[in-house]
Amino acid sequence: KQEVTQIPAALSVPEGENLVLNCSFTDSAIYNLQWFRQDPGKGLTSLLLIQSSQREQTSGRLNASLDKSSGRSTLYIAASQPGDSATYLCAVKITGGFKTIFGAGTRLFVKA
Amino acid sequence: DTAVSQTPKYLVTQMGNDKSIKCEQNLGHDTMYWYKQDSKKFLKIMFSYNNKELIINETVPNRFSPKSPDKAHLNLHINSLELGDSAVYFCASSSATSGGHPSYNEQFFGPGTRLTVL
Repeated sequence: KQEVTQIPAALSVPEGENLVLNCSFTDSAIYNLQWFRQDPGKGLTSLLLIQSSQREQTSGRLNASLDKSSGRSTLYIAASQPGDSATYLCAVKITGGFKTIFGAGTRLFVKA
Repeated sequence: DTAVSQTPKYLVTQMGNDKSIKCEQNLGHDTMYWYKQDSKKFLKIMFSYNNKELIINETVPNRFSPKSPDKAHLNLHINSLELGDSAVYFCASSSATSGGHPSYNEQFFGPGTRLTVL
């Protein structure tokens, strides 16, 4: 049974700091891994999608890596800003590509 | 243009009532999902439809009945609402066929429907 764990559960950093959010999964047979952000009371916004054949994806100040053999993904945020404050969710797609397992999320607070 | 939309945004109702939540996507996707986010903010998949066919049904009580009239719509009907059904329900969609597109199987979420059962 696939399980997805995100560490840390919460993180508070000063503005400008580079930071890494971690996601681990127990079964390496995945279709893809997707990172989302969720603002309070809002829906999920897709940040980066890494297909199972890829090792990383980049978008602006965000970089996500995937190591299937070790069951890990990291989301790197460069030069953090107060607007980055949100909950970041990692999601792994399995089972023929139709079922997604979410981690519990990392709540990030960037202090101005 | 809203890619994935849900109605209503808020739903407050009494125990025992029957209610529906509607979802529409204008992305041309062939797969749609319903997720439940509980009070601890944990997201869990409920249903997945591909080309109007039910693919995933995650041990959800049969009081919950999804219906997909076409590939762009996936509605959720809930009978005999219970207190434990209070949560935020999210609809999402994706394309299960690659067609060489780098973002195939990327999920896009609606804004959510906050259901409160009194």
